[in-house]
Amino acid sequence: EAGVAQSPRYKIIEKRQSVAFWCNPISGHATLYWYQQILGQGPKLLIQFQNNGVVDDSQLPKDRFSAERLKGVDSTLKIQPAKLEDSAVYLCASSFEGATGRGYTFGSGTRLTVV
Amino acid sequence: GESVGLHLPTLSVQEGDNSIINCAYSNSASDYFIWYKQESGKGPQFIIDIRSNMDKRQGQRVTVLLNKTVKHLSLQIAATQPGDSAVYFCAEKNYGQNFVFGPGTRLSVLP
Repeated sequence: EAGVAQSPRYKIIEKRQSVAFWCNPISGHATLYWYQQILGQGPKLLIQFQNNGVVDDSQLPKDRFSAERLKGVDSTLKIQPAKLEDSAVYLCASSFEGATGRGYTFGSGTRLTVV
Repeated sequence: GESVGLHLPTLSVQEGDNSIINCAYSNSASDYFIWYKQESGKGPQFIIDIRSNMDKRQGQRVTVLLNKTVKHLSLQIAATQPGDSAVYFCAEKNYGQNFVFGPGTRLSVLP
């Protein structure tokens, strides 16, 4: 079974620039998550999609972050404009609807460095 | 590969010894807990889970213990191997809500 695919693997941008990350979940997984993992910390949920609808975006900084999941499959996460504190690994995960934690599959993440 | 964290608490153990990684969780209403393993440059990988109606669960070489009285979770790894070197996170969940991850512990296995 193919895993969760994310790209790019690494990205370095200057502050105030914009950046986008892409995620392709496991086929058939209805639920998709974006997490932010700052160095030395555990992942923090940014947004959860169920098919192409948003379930939870309570921790998404909506003034600069946006995400979409067209057709309920692939998803993109965008930051505009980026700040230094956005430097982190952005992880995408997917699961079957209603899955417990053992059913979550994480991608390898995109490491963003804002300089 | 990339480091998950440079300033995490670190546990160093000799190869073959048993490891115990601890986690204090925050929400007394949490009813489901997971341990994840994160290797350098990779996403978290499920290890073992436990529900709040249990206090112990065993897997292959791993055991999770839950003490709800003091909101404490531990992961025991038997006969630790070099491949166990990683950062370990506990995560807690309350019904209807999403997982909240702890800060993580780096396990370093010494030859």
